[in-house]
Amino acid sequence: NAGVTQTPKFQVLKTGQSMTLQCAQDMNHNSMYWYRQDPGMGLRLIYYSASEGTTDKGEVPNGYNVSRLNKREFSLRLESAAPSQTSVYFCASSDRLAVYEQYFGPGTRLTVT
Amino acid sequence: EDQVTQSPEALRLQEGESSSLNCSYTVSGLRGLFWYRQDPGKGPEFLFTLYSAGEEKEKERLKATLTKKESFLHITAPKPEDSATYLCAVQDWEAQTGANNLFFGTGTRLTVIP
Repeated sequence: NAGVTQTPKFQVLKTGQSMTLQCAQDMNHNSMYWYRQDPGMGLRLIYYSASEGTTDKGEVPNGYNVSRLNKREFSLRLESAAPSQTSVYFCASSDRLAVYEQYFGPGTRLTVT
Repeated sequence: EDQVTQSPEALRLQEGESSSLNCSYTVSGLRGLFWYRQDPGKGPEFLFTLYSAGEEKEKERLKATLTKKESFLHITAPKPEDSATYLCAVQDWEAQTGANNLFFGTGTRLTVIP
């Protein structure tokens, strides 16, 4: 039982490059979330998926897209990376939406130069 | 504006020296308050949920309490392995939109010295 897994762990991009962050959970949770964590700021919600087939914007969605591929997997895509997107990205899941006993992955540390 | 503030930003304790961390919040309609532990280079780990003023939860050396405006995380006789950043998050509900929002504080970085 791995919980929530994320790939890659580290990534360096040049401005304008694109990439997809992968997330998978094996807890049969319905809801999944993408956050970013920056120094001096709390975790901020980028996008979330209440259930398979649905996605919604969070607090800071600009510059990102998401796909809920199936119940297990939720990916985050940066179409044209910018230095302001340098951050640590966390995926999380919960049994259902608005149940914030969330389970987090280990994070992806992204640097955009 | 809804806000979650944690204090202190950093706390150094000697092993066995009890203390408390504070999380104060201003939200329109509290649905729940959550405490997480985050170790360096890892994702947050869920600790507690509190739903109403007066509620308390305990886990080993940790005890969380909730009032109408703040929550405390009490650490009794801490050990070095308790060193981590402790995050507080508050869930509110907007009556007008029916939206549930979750706001995280910036955390308290706890160091327990042997």
